Amino acid sequence: QKEVEQNSGPLSVPEGAIASLNCTYSDRGSQSFFWYRQYSGKSPELIMFIYSNGDKEDGRFTAQLNKASQYVSLLIRDSQPSDSATYLCAVNGGGGTSYGKLTFGQGTILTVHP
Amino acid sequence: EAGVTQFPSHSVIEKGQTVTLRCDPISGHDNLYWYRRVMGKEIKFLLHFVKESKQDESGMPNNRFLAERTGGTYSTLKVQPAELEDSGVYFCASSHAWEQYFGPGTRLTVT
Repeated sequence: QKEVEQNSGPLSVPEGAIASLNCTYSDRGSQSFFWYRQYSGKSPELIMFIYSNGDKEDGRFTAQLNKASQYVSLLIRDSQPSDSATYLCAVNGGGGTSYGKLTFGQGTILTVHP
Repeated sequence: EAGVTQFPSHSVIEKGQTVTLRCDPISGHDNLYWYRRVMGKEIKFLLHFVKESKQDESGMPNNRFLAERTGGTYSTLKVQPAELEDSGVYFCASSHAWEQYFGPGTRLTVT
């Protein structure tokens, strides 16, 4: 079992729709959770982070965390073609690891078509 | 505020040669990290500096890799001698607290 798994994708949604990206993690001791967006050939860009159970909203983005189910998701409302990118889920702070080490999922490719 | 910078952006070397990658973190960030993404795989952690000290180097693949951070500022990652499997994109990230900000990466190709 991979430490961090994301829905395999690719995910294609029409412009204006809600895109839902999912991630599960294996280490129950994980403490903080991040979503990065990566355009082709560019660096990962931090777009959301969440530490507590529940929802966290920032503009069109909502991160959801359920530690009991070891599940974190990212919702993108009113999707735009500019949201087309690879979305990376990253997890930090599990048992036996340093607080700094991020463990990444393989990424989900999102395409928003006009 | 300037972001994380890395140099070079791309390096092509032959097997057995030496390459040194450089990372300049965001000013004021004590934490500096190195990650690597090889073709088709997820981004993997290499090591973590706090100021000039190595906090965690559990991800370093072998002793051909040497990372340093001079005076707690910029960092270098040297690969000596390079092997074919070292090809990939090497990312540097820095943070003040938990949130890590990534540089543009160095694409290393070993032929």
